[in-house]
Parts: sequence; structure tokens; C-alpha cells
Amino acid sequence: ETGVTQSPTHLIKTRGQQVTLRCSSQSGHNTVSWYQQALGQGPQFIFQYYREEENGRGNFPPRFSGLQFPNYSSELNVNALELDDSALYLCASSFVRQQYNEQFFGPGTRLTVL
Amino acid sequence: KQEVTQIPAALSVPEGENLVLNCSFTDSAIYNLQWFRQDPGKGLTSLLLIQSSQREQTSGRLNASLDKSSGRSTLYIAASQPGDSATYLCALISSGSARQLTFGSGTQLTVLP
Repeated sequence: ETGVTQSPTHLIKTRGQQVTLRCSSQSGHNTVSWYQQALGQGPQFIFQYYREEENGRGNFPPRFSGLQFPNYSSELNVNALELDDSALYLCASSFVRQQYNEQFFGPGTRLTVL
Repeated sequence: KQEVTQIPAALSVPEGENLVLNCSFTDSAIYNLQWFRQDPGKGLTSLLLIQSSQREQTSGRLNASLDKSSGRSTLYIAASQPGDSATYLCALISSGSARQLTFGSGTQLTVLP
């Protein structure tokens, strides 16, 4: 069974640029959620995708957008990067019909905005 | 709006000690609660999941309890080891919330040899 994978591991961008982060779900999972974790804080929910559609969104502006593909992999896109976007971005997958809806996390992508 | 608080923010104990990490939440209408471990700069490892109908879950030296009426969960670690040093995060899914996890800020645990 393959776990959740994310790429790239680290990324450095400058303010105003755009970035795409990628996530491959754990085998058999059909839901992907993205979280942003600032240094010293708990992760904050960005959005969730189920059956290729957004299925819930946290308090993040529209410049944060996403996609889910038929193979349940996902992308997080951030436009017009700001310094405060520097964080660890975590992807989590789950199986929505599973009774417990346990979420499994990838290793994260560390984004630094200069 | 659901809020999750973890106290203390940091904890340092000698090896072999039993310890308890605390998590409190403001809305008792939850679907489930998960405890995670995070090593520095790494992703999250799920330790235990408690369904809303359950009172506790155990895995090895770990025991997590849930009291919805008081809005509290605890993670008990028995016979702590230096390898237990990490940040422990409590997170829950509120009922009807599109299955999103709401996290506390974590407790940074250091177990001294």
C-alpha cells in the first residue's frame, strides 16, 4: 500500500510569483484535503476535493485554488505569492465512505517566499 | 466556530516518566478526534483516532480518551522514551463540516535521557 506523497519537498519563490504543489493520495482513497502550517502553529484547513470537485473551503482567498484528477491525485496552486504564504503545505487523503474518515498525511512541501 | 486548545505548549520530562497531554475544544458536536505526532519539519503521523461514540483508544504505550460533555481529550504516554520527543497535535472533525480537521497548536514534548 502506497502512502501519501508530495512534491516538491522544498520550494523557494519570490513575492508575486505563482506556485503549484502536487500530492498523490494513498491507494484506495478518494478525498484530498490541503492544509497550511505556519511555523509553531497547527495546520489550517485550505480546502478539500472529492470526486474532482471542491467539497469545503477554509478561510483562504481565491488566489489559493486546487484540482483533483481522476486518479485522485491533486494540485494546490497559489497565485500572487505573499511573504505570509511561507509555510509547510500538507496534503491529506481519506476515503469518504469510511466510517472513521481517518486522514493520512504526506510529508509536506516547505514553501519559502522571499 | 470550533476552537481547539492544547496545554501545555511545551513539556520536558525525564525518560521513564508517564505523562498526559491535554486537548480542549469548544463545540461538543464532533465526528471524531485524532491525535498526531509531528517530528521537526516533517508531516503528521496519525497515532490514535477516537470516534464520537467512543470514550478511549489504546495503541501500545499510548492511550487517548474523549469526554465530549466537558470538551476534553487527553493523550497518556506511558514509560516515556527519548524517541517520543516530538510535537503532538490534537485535531477533530466537527459534525457537518465537510470532514475538515481543526487542529490545536500542539504540545512540544522533550524526553530527556
